[in-house]
Amino acid sequence: DTGVSQDPRHKITKRGQNVTFRCDPISEHNRLYWYRQTLGQGPEFLTYFQNEAQLEKSRLLSDRFSAERPKGSFSTLEIQRTEQGDSAMYLCASSPQGPGEAFFGQGTRLTVV
Amino acid sequence: GDSVTQMEGPVTLSEEAFLTINCTYTATGYPSLFWYVQYPGEGLQLLLKATKADDKGSNKGFEATYRKETTSFHLEKGSVQVSDSAVYFCALSLKTSYDKVIFGPGTSLSVIP
Repeated sequence: DTGVSQDPRHKITKRGQNVTFRCDPISEHNRLYWYRQTLGQGPEFLTYFQNEAQLEKSRLLSDRFSAERPKGSFSTLEIQRTEQGDSAMYLCASSPQGPGEAFFGQGTRLTVV
Repeated sequence: GDSVTQMEGPVTLSEEAFLTINCTYTATGYPSLFWYVQYPGEGLQLLLKATKADDKGSNKGFEATYRKETTSFHLEKGSVQVSDSAVYFCALSLKTSYDKVIFGPGTSLSVIP
């Protein structure tokens, strides 16, 4: 396994369009997290899955955002009706159960024009 | 709420200089503490971690000691190299919050020959 994989690496979209990002975690990891990172800031937590269950969502995750993790494997993050303020790096991380290292993907950089 | 504060950058040092990046945290429980590093054009990587008070994390010549009494986790390296140029993030996680990682704002380090 080569680590957490995210696709696409870059996405440019027009305001108002919908976008979907994919994350493939490390295969034996049952915990999956989404974060958003804007320029010059640390990553901010968006949502958490344990297997297929979405157990926590940040207030940052507006109604336009939805995430899924069917069958507890890969995850998708969809943003509907994108706004310029959604431009950021979207990071996915996975970890095994229990306190330990979260492994991060390279991220998807979204630019809304 | 739970949060991490770290010294603002950017920090510019000459090769072989001593590095300290200060980090303090606020947490409602007993967090695990981390330093993550983001090299230019790359994803976040765990640099080191400590899971309980007085633990010392170390890796690649970097060290940080979990100080519960001062709620600090300062990063140090005795002799920096040009290849250490990166953004460093102090972070914490709590079992009570699904071990999601809460990041500080990051400190950019540039090491010049």
